[in-house]
Amino acid sequence: SAVISQKPSRDICQRGTSLTIQCQVDSQVTMMFWYRQQPGQSLTLIATANQGSEATYESGFVIDKFPISRPNLTFSTLTVSNMSPEDSSIYLCSVEVTDTQYFGPGTRLTVL
Amino acid sequence: AQSVTQPDIHITVSEGASLELRCNYSYGATPYLFWYVQSPGQGLQLLLKYFSGDTLVQGIKGFEAEFKRSQSSFNLRKPSVHWSDAAEYFCAVGPSNDYKLSFGAGTTVTVRA
Repeated sequence: SAVISQKPSRDICQRGTSLTIQCQVDSQVTMMFWYRQQPGQSLTLIATANQGSEATYESGFVIDKFPISRPNLTFSTLTVSNMSPEDSSIYLCSVEVTDTQYFGPGTRLTVL
Repeated sequence: AQSVTQPDIHITVSEGASLELRCNYSYGATPYLFWYVQSPGQGLQLLLKYFSGDTLVQGIKGFEAEFKRSQSSFNLRKPSVHWSDAAEYFCAVGPSNDYKLSFGAGTTVTVRA
């Protein structure tokens, strides 16, 4: 398994601003994933972030809105840019270890 | 394309009673199947998974699930629920080649005393 931490755990932001979420894992992993969980909804995959390559975005998500960095095998960031109230969600990172995804605690974002 | 259906949005069960959560999937090949639990304000915790072999899998916290290929189902069960089992439960399916998961809509479990 893996132990994953995220920062910040929650934040309240003004519309038009950006927030960068950090994801740290306690072991080296090749594949990391970022998800969005809108209020009362299930999880939707935003992108897959592999170290050493550009992130791969799912349909409906674009790099300009959700830029991702993956500088090494234990760390990734997701930025939510030019935020609007519709971006209010929980953002979760996960890692793949032996064909299984393990999740961080999530970042609860509220945009006013 | 893969998809997951959790028919029950909300289930209420008495403490000590049995619990079964339904999950049906659509996938062209043999899927990887997972159950996760999300307690309020928390991330997702893996309860159990099925890749191959014995179709009855045991997980943490006393949960088990049975893979039934003929019914495209992977239902989660617990013989006797505890108040701490109140949470949101997600079934997920993934292919083996790219590790992406598709999640069901989730089932909220309420436990009454």
